[in-house]
Amino acid sequence: DTAVSQTPKYLVTQMGNDKSIKCEQNLGHDTMYWYKQDSKKFLKIMFSYNNKELIINETVPNRFSPKSPDKAHLNLHINSLELGDSAVYFCASSQGPPGTYQETQYFGPGTRLLVL
Amino acid sequence: SQQGEEDPQALSIQEGENATMNCSYKTSINNLQWYRQNSGRGLVHLILIRSNEREKHSGRLRVTLDTSKKSSSLLITASRAADTASYFCATSNTGKLIFGQGTTLQVKP
Repeated sequence: DTAVSQTPKYLVTQMGNDKSIKCEQNLGHDTMYWYKQDSKKFLKIMFSYNNKELIINETVPNRFSPKSPDKAHLNLHINSLELGDSAVYFCASSQGPPGTYQETQYFGPGTRLLVL
Repeated sequence: SQQGEEDPQALSIQEGENATMNCSYKTSINNLQWYRQNSGRGLVHLILIRSNEREKHSGRLRVTLDTSKKSSSLLITASRAADTASYFCATSNTGKLIFGQGTTLQVKP
């Protein structure tokens, strides 16, 4: 009964490859997020969707493209992977977007991406 | 930047002692949240304190917020080995959560 799940848990790939990470939440939340956590544990927002619409798009290379097929799913596709993309990517969801009274976020277990 | 800064970066205490972590931020906020991250896991929400609140309790957790000083503290009382984790503050204002770099807490049995 995992609330926010991500696949895969680990991803090891070569530079230049294209890969996708999938996220699903069964909490009935309207808002979903992608975060990147670097080796120093710094956690930075990348994207956020509310009801399948993009509401936050931080300064992220356009090699990263999120896609929300429905409210319960938010996938992240990364083209032409680079060494600097190695990090842990977390998906999260909240009932409402930040700034509302429903903004507590629930995180997935993370996807550890290593680009060789 | 609105990013929270946490202090100390690392804290090591004995089981049963209290642990205090501090967070400072730079701009006005709607609320401030604390999250815990166990090694190799995702973040878990602990507590949310709104900008018009000064103190909040949840079990062994006590959070204070001083908006005039733009700072917050998280106190864990009677710590347990299971409290060993990284603790992050996150501020909410501009439609997104901004996380600090965390305090790594080690509780020795």
